[in-house]
Amino acid sequence: DTGVSQNPRHKITKRGQNVTFRCDPISEHNRLYWYRQTLGQGPEFLTYFQNEAQLEKSRLLSDRFSAERPKGSFSTLEIQRTEQGDSAMYLCASSLAGGITEAFFGQGTRLTVV
Amino acid sequence: AQTVTQSQPEMSVQEAETVTLSCTYDTSESDYYLFWYKQPPSRQMILVIRQEAYKQQNATENRFSVNFQKAAKSFSLKISDSQLGDAAMYFCAYRSAWASGGGADGLTFGKGTHLIIQP
Repeated sequence: DTGVSQNPRHKITKRGQNVTFRCDPISEHNRLYWYRQTLGQGPEFLTYFQNEAQLEKSRLLSDRFSAERPKGSFSTLEIQRTEQGDSAMYLCASSLAGGITEAFFGQGTRLTVV
Repeated sequence: AQTVTQSQPEMSVQEAETVTLSCTYDTSESDYYLFWYKQPPSRQMILVIRQEAYKQQNATENRFSVNFQKAAKSFSLKISDSQLGDAAMYFCAYRSAWASGGGADGLTFGKGTHLIIQP
């Protein structure tokens, strides 16, 4: 396994357009997390899945954001009607379980909204 | 809600020297986990070291060790014999031991400390 993979690595979009990002976790990991990281800040938790179930969503996740993890494998994060404030790095992580277990991160998708 | 504070935006250390990165956190919980993650430029975040709050013994991983002071809610990272490859952003993170409503299973990160290694 090559680790957590995210695509695309970079995305430039015009304000108002919809974008979708994909995350492929480490295959045996049942938990998958999405974070957002803006310049000069630490990552902020957005949402997480256990298998295909979305168990928690942060207040940061407005109704323009939706995430799915069909069949408990890869996950997608969609942002509708993008705004300039959505410009950030979107990080995906996966782990076997919560607690002390290590979360493995992908390289992220950098979104720029112009 | 838990918060994590890293008061040093940037630290610089000579190669082969020792440096300590500070982290404090605020929580009302008694059981939780603490982590230090490293984010090299343009590369993914990787785990450096982790600590369970109920364990009094400080975690150690080769050149990396922590000073965990539960009462003071402090979790500093010491890097010994600093190497050029240690240059990165370092993030302190908190996770509740009890997954429940409110995003409890996600990591709460500090703003990070940019570590510069001087050759």
